[in-house]
Amino acid sequence: AQSVSQHNHHVILSEAASLELGCNYSYGGTVNLFWYVQYPGQHLQLLLKYFSGDPLVKGIKGFEAEFIKSKFSFNLRKPSVQWSDTAEYFCAVNPGNDYKLSFGAGTTVTVRA
Amino acid sequence: DAGVTQSPTHLIKTRGQQVTLRCSPKSGHDTVSWYQQALGQGPQFIFQYYEEEERQRGNFPDRFSGHQFPNYSSELNVNALLLGDSALYLCASNSFGFTYEQYFGPGTRLTVT
Repeated sequence: AQSVSQHNHHVILSEAASLELGCNYSYGGTVNLFWYVQYPGQHLQLLLKYFSGDPLVKGIKGFEAEFIKSKFSFNLRKPSVQWSDTAEYFCAVNPGNDYKLSFGAGTTVTVRA
Repeated sequence: DAGVTQSPTHLIKTRGQQVTLRCSPKSGHDTVSWYQQALGQGPQFIFQYYEEEERQRGNFPDRFSGHQFPNYSSELNVNALLLGDSALYLCASNSFGFTYEQYFGPGTRLTVT
């Protein structure tokens, strides 16, 4: 069964600091990759997605992620975080011909003003 | 453009009881998936409905069942509730064969006492 690992459980940053969240998955075939964000009191929202093509994808709110196939990784980055980026971030994967999403355990990001 | 809606928002049930949760997909979507998110964990896939049939199922017991109606809305039923069924239940929708991107609803918080 495929699994998704997120490296950090809780990250605490100051505003303007850079953010990088790690995500690795175990699945040998073609995959679709996603990062979702859950702001306090809100529902899961899609930050960005990768289906094919350029492995560096840009999402909303200044986030980007890089797919490295050889490392089975899809790390999320943001050069300069804001207080409003405080949220829980989930990496998710589904096989290329499937809709079933497998999620990581999530990373709680706290940005201090 | 209405997003994914779920009802009720919160629910408290007693062990052994049965519960029904409801979901209306995003306008234009025909596929509904259900996920269980326990506290501090990522969502876990329960099952997916398309064309009023269960298409895929995750590792959940038969106590979890569902239904999809001709208008694409869906219900999740859980019988013989256990304390461990306490979780946030998320509904997600997508357009089958068009995109793998899923849109999530706000969830139903189920507490089993």
